[in-house]
Amino acid sequence: AQSVTQPDARVTVSEGASLQLRCKYSYSATPYLFWYVQYPRQGLQLLLKYYSGDPVVQGVNSFEAEFSKSNSSFHLQKASVHWSDSAVYFCALSQYTNTGKLTFGDGTVLTVKP
Amino acid sequence: EAAVTQSPRNKVAVTGGKVTLSCNQTNNHNNMYWYRQDTGHGLRLIHYSYGAGSTEKGDIPDGYKASRPSQENFSLILELATPSQTSVYFCASGDLGGRQNTLYFGAGTRLSVL
Repeated sequence: AQSVTQPDARVTVSEGASLQLRCKYSYSATPYLFWYVQYPRQGLQLLLKYYSGDPVVQGVNSFEAEFSKSNSSFHLQKASVHWSDSAVYFCALSQYTNTGKLTFGDGTVLTVKP
Repeated sequence: EAAVTQSPRNKVAVTGGKVTLSCNQTNNHNNMYWYRQDTGHGLRLIHYSYGAGSTEKGDIPDGYKASRPSQENFSLILELATPSQTSVYFCASGDLGGRQNTLYFGAGTRLSVL
């Protein structure tokens, strides 16, 4: 069975600082990997996704993520955060054959201090 | 931009009552999904559909039914609501052709079962 682990339930950073949100996955093959963001009282929005190829993928709003097969990880990064980045971030995976059925991590609550 | 609309946005139900959550998408996506989100946890898949007339069980289908009468509409039905079904429910649609593989989420329905 597949699973996604986000080891940090909450992360607080100062505005302008760099950010890394961690994601570890368990799956027997190479999965499709995603990062979604959820702003208060809204649905989830896609930040970026990885299928294959270059392990560093670029997303919206200057976010990027790096896939590591050896570490079974897909960490999200941003060079300089803004207060508006405060939200809940979810890592998710889908089977390689992809049915659109996503397995989500528990999410990381990001708070950016002004 | 994909549009997924859920109704109602908030619902209070009594234990043992019937609850229907509705979802409409205007993007002609084949696939639709119902997830629930509980505090401090990621989303879990309840039911999904590959097109009009089809419904499939997700990871946690017990206590829920689904109905897909048309391409645009996908309902989640709680025949006998229980307090354990108090949660936030998200509908999503997706077109999985090629490398699209992006789900578009509605804003959610907050359900309280008393």
